[in-house]
Amino acid sequence: NAGVTQTPKFRILKIGQSMTLQCTQDMNHNYMYWYRQDPGMGLKLIYYSVGAGITDKGEVPNGYNVSRSTTEDFPLRLELAAPSQTSVYFCASSYSTGRGAAFFGQGTRLTVV
Amino acid sequence: GESVGLHLPTLSVQEGDNSIINCAYSNSASDYFIWYKQESGKGPQFIIDIRSNMDKRQGQRVTVLLNKTVKHLSLQIAATQPGDSAVYFCAESQEGGSEKLVFGKGTKLTVNP
Repeated sequence: NAGVTQTPKFRILKIGQSMTLQCTQDMNHNYMYWYRQDPGMGLKLIYYSVGAGITDKGEVPNGYNVSRSTTEDFPLRLELAAPSQTSVYFCASSYSTGRGAAFFGQGTRLTVV
Repeated sequence: GESVGLHLPTLSVQEGDNSIINCAYSNSASDYFIWYKQESGKGPQFIIDIRSNMDKRQGQRVTVLLNKTVKHLSLQIAATQPGDSAVYFCAESQEGGSEKLVFGKGTKLTVNP
């Protein structure tokens, strides 16, 4: 049981490049989330999904896109990377009711130069 | 709007002492709260949760207290150990608020031997 797996762990992007952060969970959770964490700060919600085919914006969705074609996968897409997107990104999932603790991945550290 | 804040950004305690980490929340409609522990370079890890119909909940060496009157949450760690050194976040959510978790800034706990 791997839990929530994120890839890659580290990435450096040039301004204007695009990339996809991968997230997969094997706990059959319906709810999945993407957060970003800036240095010394808490986590801010980018996008979340309550089930396959359903996604919604969080607090800071600009510059990002998501899709949820399966229960297991919830990729986060950056289309035109900007220095302001330099951050650590965490994917999380939670139980089908949406209550209960969210389980987090290990994070992706992204630097945009 | 929704926000969760913490009174102290850092807390230093001696090994064996009890630690108290505080959290203030502003959304009176929040009805579910979670404490997370984040070690350096890792994703947040669930510690304990509490629902708004409770005032207190205990786990192994940890106790969460909820005061809805003043919208205050605290995490008490008994007999603090060096392994407890981490950043602690409280998070809140609201039933009907799409289950998204709003995180505070975090408190860094340092345990001195």
